[in-house]
Amino acid sequence: AQKITQTQPGMFVQEKEAVTLDCTYDTSDQSYGLFWYKQPSSGEMIFLIYQGSYDEQNATEGRYSLNFQKARKSANLVISASQLGDSAMYFCAMREGQDGNKLVFGAGTILRVKS
Amino acid sequence: DAGVIQSPRHEVTEMGQEVTLRCKPISGHNSLFWYRQTMMRGLELLIYFNNNVPIDDSGMPEDRFSAKMPNASFSTLKIQPSEPRDSAVYFCASKGASGGYNQPQHFGDGTRLSIL
Repeated sequence: AQKITQTQPGMFVQEKEAVTLDCTYDTSDQSYGLFWYKQPSSGEMIFLIYQGSYDEQNATEGRYSLNFQKARKSANLVISASQLGDSAMYFCAMREGQDGNKLVFGAGTILRVKS
Repeated sequence: DAGVIQSPRHEVTEMGQEVTLRCKPISGHNSLFWYRQTMMRGLELLIYFNNNVPIDDSGMPEDRFSAKMPNASFSTLKIQPSEPRDSAVYFCASKGASGGYNQPQHFGDGTRLSIL
């Protein structure tokens, strides 16, 4: 069964607007964590933001924020004031395993920012 | 600070040849991960080490693949013999122990492997 689902294969957003990238997850664990990574066309994987299952507030990092809805098992990434440099593939990942070290990745969403 | 360093960045070789991918994790990190990325299967964890010890190799596709971590600053992923279906981007990542579960994995730039 797929543990991380990113339903949007591709998204477009106008420069300076906000965009939400969807991520739903499936787990029976009480303690878990969700990560978002960015992969630009150059190929590297860049960590953006983390949300723990026990965190009471939604995580924020600069223009990135997480819309975490635990009951719905969703952890959507919100990028505010989009920039051309935000064009990339975005991956949602969930940590699992007894030591919390394993990451399971979703299929990714390609974001294109239009000028 | 130096990030995760992978070599080579690109490798093109013929089917049947041995391929060795190398990784130097971030200094002080105690967990190291090898991933494979393909269009069909996305990002897959192959194996990971804690304190140089392999913890989970359930993602290693078959016996042709092997990974070692002889010390805290070096790891290799070897494919022998290589096959065209092994063509992919291979990432190495490392993670520190301090800070607990919220510590992210830091990725290298990847090795783009093409088996002809």
